[in-house]
Amino acid sequence: DTAVSQTPKYLVTQMGNDKSIKCEQNLGHDTMYWYKQDSKKFLKIMFSYNNKELIINETVPNRFSPKSPDKAHLNLHINSLELGDSAVYFCASSDGTHGDTQYFGPGTRLTVL
Amino acid sequence: RKEVEQDPGPFNVPEGATVAFNCTYSNSASQSFFWYRQDCRKEPKLLMSVYSSGNEDGRFTAQLNRASQYISLLIRDSKLSDSATYLCVVKGDGGFKTIFGAGTRLFVKA
Repeated sequence: DTAVSQTPKYLVTQMGNDKSIKCEQNLGHDTMYWYKQDSKKFLKIMFSYNNKELIINETVPNRFSPKSPDKAHLNLHINSLELGDSAVYFCASSDGTHGDTQYFGPGTRLTVL
Repeated sequence: RKEVEQDPGPFNVPEGATVAFNCTYSNSASQSFFWYRQDCRKEPKLLMSVYSSGNEDGRFTAQLNRASQYISLLIRDSKLSDSATYLCVVKGDGGFKTIFGAGTRLFVKA
């Protein structure tokens, strides 16, 4: 059973398009995250939700809008895609405590042409 | 200064070698510390948490020095399968903000 799943795994699209990435976790965790890993492999947090409530929004352009319909899902919608949005996007979940482990999804490789 | 800094490497070592990675963090109020491992084109996975007293898990030993704001990872008897990028991770004082270092690449050769 996959603990954290993301769809799609690969996404190739044109500049200016709008796209969504979906994330689901079956671990019963309260906290979910979106990370961006760019071409230099630097992993940077974008958003964090706890019990469907946004708690971290790290200077991400407002073209990026996360949505959490319930505790098990955190989707990422991106408007007006730009070349610089090309990256691997990872979803993760944790139980939200200080010493907790984050479990990552397999990543979505987004390429904007 | 970056919030979490690591030597990017790469470290190229022969099988059986001992290798050590270091990491420094800037926020003295940080609460939790971890080492994650990321294989090429895969997601990061927890390798081990880092406790104040230091901790060991098989061939891996992690140390934390709060006074110097420094974390280390020691790998003994390196295996080919240890080849990966090792990410130093620090959790902020708010509990939810997690900061990843840029990672240290390790290549273990036969």
